[in-house]
Amino acid sequence: AQKITQTQPGMFVQEKEAVTLDCTYDTSDPSYGLFWYKQPSSGEMIFLIYQGSYDQQNATEGRYSLNFQKARKSANLVISASQLGDSAMYFCAMREGLGSSNTGKLIFGQGTTLQVKP
Amino acid sequence: NAGVTQTPKFRVLKTGQSMTLLCAQDMNHEYMYWYRQDPGMGLRLIHYSVGEGTTAKGEVPDGYNVSRLKKQNFLLGLESAAPSQTSVYFCASSSHSGTYNEQFFGPGTRLTVL
Repeated sequence: AQKITQTQPGMFVQEKEAVTLDCTYDTSDPSYGLFWYKQPSSGEMIFLIYQGSYDQQNATEGRYSLNFQKARKSANLVISASQLGDSAMYFCAMREGLGSSNTGKLIFGQGTTLQVKP
Repeated sequence: NAGVTQTPKFRVLKTGQSMTLLCAQDMNHEYMYWYRQDPGMGLRLIHYSVGEGTTAKGEVPDGYNVSRLKKQNFLLGLESAAPSQTSVYFCASSSHSGTYNEQFFGPGTRLTVL
């Protein structure tokens, strides 16, 4: 069965430093997509970055990058140059199947709360 | 575009009461989803729909029903609310033909069942 594991309930990082949030996943489907979402204290869910299982390069979006290690089944989120506004809960999620035939369902991890210190 | 909207934002129910949560999206997305988020846990899928007139069960469907009579709307019903259904409910929608097909989320509905 597919599963997402985030082992870090809470993390602290100093402003302007980089931080890595861990995510491991389990699936028997060779086709899948991995997502990271940010949930600030206001509660909304904000899409950050996506990695497909067949993508050859690690995904990057501005200060966000995804350290994708397929053999280890890990998809860690790296935030560079942390800002106070990065303080939030971060969720890793997985969607099995790619293309128009999949249903788009996501399985979420339990989340990691990140606090950025000034 | 308003994106994904949810009505109401907050609601308090007594055990046994019923209610319907409304989700609306203006992005012409085929897929829509209802999740619940409990403290210390990630989002769990309740029901989902891959098109108008279709619905399917997710991970935690018991005690909920859904309907998708119009493409832009996805309703979540609680027929007889229980305290265990106290949670934050999120609706989401996604395309099935985009680059990432990421889900776009509504602002959430905080439901308390006494």
